[in-house]
Amino acid sequence: KQEVTQIPAALSVPEGENLVLNCSFTDSAIYNLQWFRQDPGKGLTSLLLIQSSQREQTSGRLNASLDKSSGRSTLYIAASQPGDSATYLCAVKETSYDKVIFGPGTSLSVIP
Amino acid sequence: NAGVMQNPRHLVRRRGQEARLRCSPMKGHSHVYWYRQLPEEGLKFMVYLQKENIIDESGMPKERFSAEFPKEGPSILRIQQVVRGDSAAYFCASSPGPGQGSRTEAFFGQGTRLTVV
Repeated sequence: KQEVTQIPAALSVPEGENLVLNCSFTDSAIYNLQWFRQDPGKGLTSLLLIQSSQREQTSGRLNASLDKSSGRSTLYIAASQPGDSATYLCAVKETSYDKVIFGPGTSLSVIP
Repeated sequence: NAGVMQNPRHLVRRRGQEARLRCSPMKGHSHVYWYRQLPEEGLKFMVYLQKENIIDESGMPKERFSAEFPKEGPSILRIQQVVRGDSAAYFCASSPGPGQGSRTEAFFGQGTRLTVV
């Protein structure tokens, strides 16, 4: 059974810092891994999608890496801003039934 | 393409009433997934359906919850005799189905926030 974990559960950093969010998954039989952002009381915003054959994806200040064999992904946020404050969710799409399994999320707070 | 549409966005029910949540998948998608997000928790898989068929309901509570995806119309998640513990955000996702676009990103609706009073 696929299990996705995220470390840390919560993170508070001063504005301008670079930071790394970690995601681990137990079953490497995945099509892809996706990072989402969720603001309080809101829906999901897709940030980055990494296919199982890829090693990393970049979008602006965000860079996500994937090491499928070790079951790990990281989301790197450069020069953090208060507007980056949100919960970041990691999710893997299994090859069985295309089911997406989520991690519990990392709650990020960027202090001005 | 309007994306995955969920309604209502907010739903308030008294204990014991029924809640019906609707999800219209993206155009061309024939598979729907339902997820529940309890307060301060991550999204938990509930059920996976294709039209007129339940594929995987391993995450569905055994009682009071049911889901359908008829040949015509939206997918419905139905909660009977709601209790306070059912208060959560319910998200729906759609896909073209295994083998077709399996490598595409997951497309989610904006969710329905159910409050049981």
